[in-house]
Amino acid sequence: GAVVSQHPSRVICKSGTSVKIECRSLDFQATTMFWYRQFPKQSLMLMATSNEGSKATYEQGVEKDKFLINHASLTLSTLTVTSAHPEDSSFYICSARRTSSGNTIYFGEGSWLTVV
Amino acid sequence: TQLLEQSPQFLSIQEGENLTVYCNSSSVFSSLQWYRQEPGEGPVLLVTVVTGGEVKKLKRLTFQFGDARKDSSLHITAAQTGDTGLYLCAGAQTNAGKSTFGDGTTLTVKP
Repeated sequence: GAVVSQHPSRVICKSGTSVKIECRSLDFQATTMFWYRQFPKQSLMLMATSNEGSKATYEQGVEKDKFLINHASLTLSTLTVTSAHPEDSSFYICSARRTSSGNTIYFGEGSWLTVV
Repeated sequence: TQLLEQSPQFLSIQEGENLTVYCNSSSVFSSLQWYRQEPGEGPVLLVTVVTGGEVKKLKRLTFQFGDARKDSSLHITAAQTGDTGLYLCAGAQTNAGKSTFGDGTTLTVKP
């Protein structure tokens, strides 16, 4: 069964609004979670590393004020896309690192965001 | 410079054929994972290898971790249409806060 759950799986929002995506580790605590964006038929593009209790670390070129990340607990990280625009439409995936199993990373189911 | 190079990027074969996907790096990894992703879904973990020279089998899939823990391969025997998907390798380094992903291999198995 899934060890990392992501919600919602699909969301449509109007241009200019904000949308929040949640990522939960179900049976382990994750001090580190990751957020990715994926374009069709391409690999994962790491957006940021979410650290429990501290600020997220953003990859170069990712706007931290636009993609707000909060990791308030050891099992939950959220990604908020603020003032969304159609070009933000994409497949967003989170993952959590399980240190008890060789630093294996488990992925959520992904969230399709469509901005209209 | 890509830390983890995955090849081939695209592979289209007939059902029943064998194939191998490679992940190569000049860096040493403490562990390496292989994932399979279907369109519209998140990647699903297939295997984790941690020991140099380790070989793991998952039905028709054979995973190998290089002796120096810098490279890995995924071999599929007698491919089936259900094997179609994006295969990703990811290497974790002990002192790094994040894993490194290969660019992925899009596999299409035709009936």
